[in-house]
Amino acid sequence: KAGVTQTPRYLIKTRGQQVTLSCSPISGHRSVSWYQQTPGQGLQFLFEYFSETQRNKGNFPGRFSGRQFSNSRSEMNVSTLELGDSALYLCASSLGGHRGNTEAFFGQGTRLTVV
Amino acid sequence: AQSVTQPDIHITVSEGASLELRCNYSYGATPYLFWYVQSPGQGLQLLLKYFSGDTLVQGIKGFEAEFKKSETSFHLTKPSAHMSDAAEYFCVVRGVYNDMRFGAGTRLTVKP
Repeated sequence: KAGVTQTPRYLIKTRGQQVTLSCSPISGHRSVSWYQQTPGQGLQFLFEYFSETQRNKGNFPGRFSGRQFSNSRSEMNVSTLELGDSALYLCASSLGGHRGNTEAFFGQGTRLTVV
Repeated sequence: AQSVTQPDIHITVSEGASLELRCNYSYGATPYLFWYVQSPGQGLQLLLKYFSGDTLVQGIKGFEAEFKKSETSFHLTKPSAHMSDAAEYFCVVRGVYNDMRFGAGTRLTVKP
């Protein structure tokens, strides 16, 4: 069974631009969550979607947004990019449900560099 | 709010020696706890998980961890380290809506 697929793997953008990252979860998984990983802040939770609804959001500015489609694929958008947005963005998929005893599987990540 | 503390930023062990990576959590209820490993430039791989039941959990690659509620700890151990174990290790507590809170990570170096 295919794992979590994130595209693109690498991206270089200019300050002020916007970017969209994509995540295809494991077939049958309905929950997708997003994380930002930087050397200074470590791994931080961005938001989680389940059945096209955002259920929880981390402490990030409104420039970070996301959505989930009916096939559970998810996109994350960052507008007005800043240098500090350079990071590895990881998505994770799981079966979902309310605190179900299921584990999350991570994609390889998208490495975003803002210049 | 849930949180995780990994007090050791970097640990070095010799190949064949035992290792312990420490993790303490803070959570209002019985937590769901995980250990993930990340090799350079890679995503995260699940080593083991604790949901309930037996407090000593076995994972992949010979790792195990023990959930100790009284100490709010979930330390990761392995009896004999291999060179291939060199990586970054993250302890994670999961909240209500699959929002995982990561520790700062412990970088493990294995000396020949």
